[in-house]
Amino acid sequence: QKEVEQNSGPLSVPEGAIASLNCTYSDRGSQSFFWYRQYSGKSPELIMSIYSNGDKEDGRFTAQLNKASQYVSLLIRDSQPSDSATYLCAVNPAYSGAGSYQLTFGKGTKLSVIP
Amino acid sequence: EAGVTQFPSHSVIEKGQTVTLRCDPISGHDNLYWYRRVMGKEIKFLLHFVKESKQDESGMPNNRFLAERTGGTYSTLKVQPAELEDSGVYFCASSPRGTLDYTQYFGPGTRLTVL
Repeated sequence: QKEVEQNSGPLSVPEGAIASLNCTYSDRGSQSFFWYRQYSGKSPELIMSIYSNGDKEDGRFTAQLNKASQYVSLLIRDSQPSDSATYLCAVNPAYSGAGSYQLTFGKGTKLSVIP
Repeated sequence: EAGVTQFPSHSVIEKGQTVTLRCDPISGHDNLYWYRRVMGKEIKFLLHFVKESKQDESGMPNNRFLAERTGGTYSTLKVQPAELEDSGVYFCASSPRGTLDYTQYFGPGTRLTVL
């Protein structure tokens, strides 16, 4: 069974620090990787997508992908209290041939940024 | 541009009753997905439409769940008869087709409580 694992947290960091969120996945053929942010009672909101090994930066956010280790991470620099939310790692398994791009999610890591 | 919308936001029904959830995807998005999150678990895939066709329904839990997308626009998910274990948050997502952007955009969800 294809799985995505995340530490549930809570992860607490002081304001201005770097928050590091980690995710591992079991399907070695996975092609697409996403980080979603979800505030309580709201919809998951895309933060970053990454498809190739290495780093991808967007503002204060950096996604890192290592397919050999089946590992993807999200770094949040200069963390703000507004970053406090649950961060969901989602993986698109290898193309199934049926044209489906279903996402497999982790349970999420709850981040708390302390002012 | 309007995002994915879902109706109702909350539904409380008795075991054995029928409930119909509705999703309106982002205009022009051919791909439409249904997901569900039960308490304490990760978000799980239910099914995927491309326009009006069911592309992948491997995540549908049983035949009490019926999804439709007549005309390839909005979609409905009917649960009949509802059981206690159907309680959870049902998310709809959509994505464009024919691009290299595999991002799925999520709606706010429908919280279903079966008593």
